Amino acid sequence: DSGVTQTPKHLITATGQRVTLRCSPRSGDLSVYWYQQSLDQGLQFLIQYYNGEERAKGNILERFSAQQFPDLHSELNLSSLELGDSALYFCASSRRGDIQYFGAGTRLSVL
Amino acid sequence: SQQGEEDPQALSIQEGENATMNCSYKTSINNLQWYRQNSGRGLVHLILIRSNEREKHSGRLRVTLDTSKKSSSLLITASRAADTASYFCATDESGGSNYKLTFGKGTLLTVNP
Repeated sequence: DSGVTQTPKHLITATGQRVTLRCSPRSGDLSVYWYQQSLDQGLQFLIQYYNGEERAKGNILERFSAQQFPDLHSELNLSSLELGDSALYFCASSRRGDIQYFGAGTRLSVL
Repeated sequence: SQQGEEDPQALSIQEGENATMNCSYKTSINNLQWYRQNSGRGLVHLILIRSNEREKHSGRLRVTLDTSKKSSSLLITASRAADTASYFCATDESGGSNYKLTFGKGTLLTVNP
């Protein structure tokens, strides 16, 4: 168990809908990272937050947004969903910034 | 874009054999890490090697790093069926609190009992 908790484990929704994925980092970790994993694109970095502030952005679509709250949990919001957004979404956290600890992921299916 | 590229994409071996996976990357790095992912599960950190290190061991794992060739290898000795997983190399592109890791597409290792 990595200590990173992601909910929900599975999410099935329809095109055009909006969903929220939640992540609780390991106790004491200030950095949270979001990744998308799909068969064709592999594991893609989306965005990083450090102690509530956005620190780095990757290949995150404008339809996607994230935030980190004062209690350090983070949420990834995906809106106007398309079939191609179906993927595994991972959250990871780190303390010193080098080693990242991953959650079990949320599997999103857009029908 | 992918920074690290693993080779081979897939590897199938018998239990007890050694497995070697390679990773090449494009830019200068501070460190290189290897992660393991069991099917559909979260990634698990295996080992980190810093840019000033050439070799590192952890249990049955041996990692080498050649910064002149921008490449790394992961050797798993005396493999077990439980080692069946995808293995990813990851490189960092910045320092401080912005450790954005870039992952390769992974090597799928199958260890047959």
